[in-house]
Amino acid sequence: AQTVTQSQPEMSVQEAETVTLSCTYDTSENNYYLFWYKQPPSRQMILVIRQEAYKQQNATENRFSVNFQKAAKSFSLKISDSQLGDTAMYFCAFMNPDSNYQLIWGAGTKLIIKP
Amino acid sequence: SAVISQKPSRDICQRGTSLTIQCQVDSQVTMMFWYRQQPGQSLTLIATANQGSEATYESGFVIDKFPISRPNLTFSTLTVSNMSPEDSSIYLCSVGLDRGHEQYFGPGTRLTVT
Repeated sequence: AQTVTQSQPEMSVQEAETVTLSCTYDTSENNYYLFWYKQPPSRQMILVIRQEAYKQQNATENRFSVNFQKAAKSFSLKISDSQLGDTAMYFCAFMNPDSNYQLIWGAGTKLIIKP
Repeated sequence: SAVISQKPSRDICQRGTSLTIQCQVDSQVTMMFWYRQQPGQSLTLIATANQGSEATYESGFVIDKFPISRPNLTFSTLTVSNMSPEDSSIYLCSVGLDRGHEQYFGPGTRLTVT
């Protein structure tokens, strides 16, 4: 069975700094998808970034980028020039498209951006 | 992406009663899911809402407790039946786009059972 581990329950950084959130996963599959979701206090779950396992190039979305290390089964999220609005819970998730598109979730990391 | 709305956004209910949560999408989608998020926890999939057939429930969730309807490709309901305080959670619906390779979520329903 697939598992997703986020080892940092909480992190805090100063505004404008760069922060990296860790995620590791366990799977025997070769084809899968990885995601980072953001959940601010409003509780809306927002898709931040997606990575296809068959792509070697790391995904980027503006200030958000990932470091995908397939052999190490690691999928970290880097937030550059952090902003107060980045304060949220961040969840890492895994999807095996052959398992009815079910998302397997990490426990989440609470990120606080300090002014 | 898709625009997803949920009703109600929050409710406070007495134990033993039932609440029906609605999920509306602005476009037709094949895949629709219902999740529960207990306080301070990650998301747990309750079921996949299938249009035209019975929902597919995950281990630990049963139809009698969480009946789901999916009358068309833009709408679904989740009912939380015979509620107890342990049912106090956020309930979220999501839809699968791009052949299911991306899921987008509604704003959630915060349920408190007293």
